[in-house]
Amino acid sequence: DQQVKQNSPSLSVQEGRISILNCDYTNSMFDYFLWYKKYPAEGPTFLISISSIKDKNEDGRFTVFLNKSAKHLSLHIVPSQPGDSAVYFCAASVASGTYKYIFGTGTRLKVLA
Amino acid sequence: NAGVMQNPRHLVRRRGQEARLRCSPMKGHSHVYWYRQLPEEGLKFMVYLQKENIIDESGMPKERFSAEFPKEGPSILRIQQVVRGDSAAYFCASSPPTSRYEQYFGPGTRLTVT
Repeated sequence: DQQVKQNSPSLSVQEGRISILNCDYTNSMFDYFLWYKKYPAEGPTFLISISSIKDKNEDGRFTVFLNKSAKHLSLHIVPSQPGDSAVYFCAASVASGTYKYIFGTGTRLKVLA
Repeated sequence: NAGVMQNPRHLVRRRGQEARLRCSPMKGHSHVYWYRQLPEEGLKFMVYLQKENIIDESGMPKERFSAEFPKEGPSILRIQQVVRGDSAAYFCASSPPTSRYEQYFGPGTRLTVT
């Protein structure tokens, strides 16, 4: 049962344009969501997070939007840079549990120069 | 402050051998999580430990896998009698006691079973 889904395995975007990565979830108990970036042969690196009490969180070029009614979140990167090329994972967690993350399968972003 | 350390980075084992993966959390972190990433998949939770205690092992296979986080020393993920299907990248993450939503990941150990 895939509780967190990233339906686009890959995405290509021109440098300077906006990248939009999407994530859907099924468990309404999730109350914290995160995005991680991963380069080959490295561990995931935290990018940005959002609590379920908010619908938007912004950090520099990265903005995460949460639509609880649709059980959907998205990561916007603007402007996109070639160094952003990586695999992006969304993850969800439940505060009352053990805080373990449930990850999506990832979206490979390629930013073209 | 050094990040999460994992060793070895690469481990090759023959079927039937044992694999031991080590994780040293960040200084001051008392919570350790292990995740496994199979090829072309996302990371999947395996086990959550605090010092000397296993808190949640719901993601761990029932047989051949065990984990510990002793009072002194690194956390160990142990896989006995490895099979080809155990080939994966194993990531450890640690979090501070005051902010358990924050998990910092190590570089991973890539296990190959031949």
